[in-house]
Amino acid sequence: DAGITQSPRHKVTETGTPVTLRCHQTENHRYMYWYRQDPGHGLRLIHYSYGVKDTDKGEVSDGYSVSRSKTEDFLLTLESATSSQTSVYFCAISGVRGLAGNTIYFGEGSWLTVV
Amino acid sequence: KNQVEQSPQSLIILEGKNCTLQCNYTVSPFSNLRWYKQDTGRGPVSLTIMTFSENTKSNGRYTATLDADTKQSSLHITASQLSDSASYICVVTAPLNEKLTFGTGTRLTIIP
Repeated sequence: DAGITQSPRHKVTETGTPVTLRCHQTENHRYMYWYRQDPGHGLRLIHYSYGVKDTDKGEVSDGYSVSRSKTEDFLLTLESATSSQTSVYFCAISGVRGLAGNTIYFGEGSWLTVV
Repeated sequence: KNQVEQSPQSLIILEGKNCTLQCNYTVSPFSNLRWYKQDTGRGPVSLTIMTFSENTKSNGRYTATLDADTKQSSLHITASQLSDSASYICVVTAPLNEKLTFGTGTRLTIIP
């Protein structure tokens, strides 16, 4: 298994509160991603990072921000959580981006419920 | 809009039987196609990766095929085991922006 740790694994929070999810990797991979998985949808990219302090938006980035101050850590922040952000969040890592066909490894997921 | 459609949505088969899952995509051009296995409550795990020039790739009892002309892929599972019960996700990469488009998966249940 790839060395990816997500925390917390489960969280219940109230609408309007800030939430930060952490992804930690031990593989020294350059690329890190945050996806969300919802019923009826394939995994959707929120944000990704291609290096320390280098990040970019994915297809569902509204309401989310990210930071990467170290190679091994990628943080996802919900500034003011809403019920629509109730989801399962997956961190992923890869040595190169998708074009090269390298394996993309996923973490075990963080279950977030916003009430 | 680039899409990846998987069928069936769910499938139940007896242990020991074979099955085939389908993936149709409209992503064009594409650079590679991946199959992932996702156990309930876990993250997806890579099974196979095929470039546009490959038409088959095996990983143990899992064999993926690709027909780039018809934009179809299939995942064949041989001699199914209870541990094969999972969701299987097809993912296509577009070369222009290296975006991955995920299917919604096929939920496979193996019964003894």
